[in-house]
Formats: sequence, C-alpha cells, structure tokens
Amino acid sequence: GENVEQHPSTLSVQEGDSAVIKCTYSDSASNYFPWYKQELGKRPQLIIDIRSNVGEKKDQRIAVTLNKTAKHFSLHITETQPEDSAVYFCAAKVWGGKLIFGQGTELSVKP
Amino acid sequence: NAGVTQTPKFRILKIGQSMTLQCTQDMNHNYMYWYRQDPGMGLKLIYYSVGAGITDKGEVPNGYNVSRSTTEDFPLRLELAAPSQTSVYFCASSPPQGPILTQHFGDGTRLSIL
Repeated sequence: GENVEQHPSTLSVQEGDSAVIKCTYSDSASNYFPWYKQELGKRPQLIIDIRSNVGEKKDQRIAVTLNKTAKHFSLHITETQPEDSAVYFCAAKVWGGKLIFGQGTELSVKP
Repeated sequence: NAGVTQTPKFRILKIGQSMTLQCTQDMNHNYMYWYRQDPGMGLKLIYYSVGAGITDKGEVPNGYNVSRSTTEDFPLRLELAAPSQTSVYFCASSPPQGPILTQHFGDGTRLSIL
C-alpha cells in the first residue's frame, strides 16, 4: 500500500551545522511533497514543499531535493539554530488529495 | 481569516461515552481531513472529505464517524470511547486540486479516555 519511510527518527547537531532528513515513498503517482515542522504541543506547520516537476527548491536556510526515479526526497537545513529544534514530518500526496506522512524526525540543535 | 478552528481544545471522557470533535474552516477549501497523532508518533489519517456530502475512510477509521453537510464544517464523532482512542486529533483543510496543495492544520484537540 501507500507508504512513506522517514530517516533518521532522531537527529542531534551542533548549532551552525547542517541537518539532513530523508524520505522515500511508494506511490509513483505522487506529485507533491510537503515538509512540516511541529513544535512541542503545537500544530504541524508547512515549512517548504516541492512538486514533482522540480528537482530542488530553496527558501533561505531550508532546501528540499527530489529524485523521482529513486522515489526519495530530502530536507536540508543549513546553519542550524536552537529554534530549529522540533519534530519534522515529510509527506507525499496520493490519490484523492490525501497526504501520507512519514514517522517524523526529532531534531535537536545544541547551542 | 481564522483558518481551521477546532473545538474543544481538551477533553476527558469515560470509557463508553460519546462525543463530537468540531472542525470548521473559513478558507472555502473543498478538502478536509481528520488525523490522530499518538505520543511520539506521526499523523494517521482517520477520514477525509473532498466536498460537501462526500466522505471516505483513511488509514484508521474504526471507531469513528464523520459527516460533511457544508463546505465549512467537518465534525468527527466517537460513539463508544475506548482507551485506545486517547490521542491528539488534528483537523486540516486544503484547496481543490490545483497549483496550491498545502494542508492547513487546526490547533488540535487533546482527548483522554479513562
């Protein structure tokens, strides 16, 4: 069935380092891939998204890359800051507009 | 715009009780969704709707029911609450298929079944 695998489940970096989170998806028809950031006790909030006709998208310190052939996409955060600490979820759009979410990555940025 | 509004924010239920979680959006979005998020876990789709009068099951629909009589409202019903339904419930909405596909989430309802 439809599935999104996300790795790693936890990630700890020093402030200023880069962080990379990777996801793979199973539905080859998926054409939209958002990333959400969820702070403790808060709702998920969209931080960046990418459509299947684009290989890379960047927004300041955040970038997402997509490899449709391999069916995987990645989130890159550069110059990490303590306020980047949160849980990050990837997702892939499947039939009917539904999003299938990955299991989440808990990112910890140590000052 | 208020976006997606969920009520209540917190609720404690006894086993076997029933309740309705309310969700309303003012963005004229056709698509609406209900998710549950267990502690330390990802989001699981319970039910979704592509428009008024149309609903469909997600990954974990058992024990829940929904209705969609208007574009704005998408209530989630628990008929016989069970401890396994203790979770945080998020409602979300997105515009019709097109160039903008972002799902907007409400603040969530924290539900405990004791």
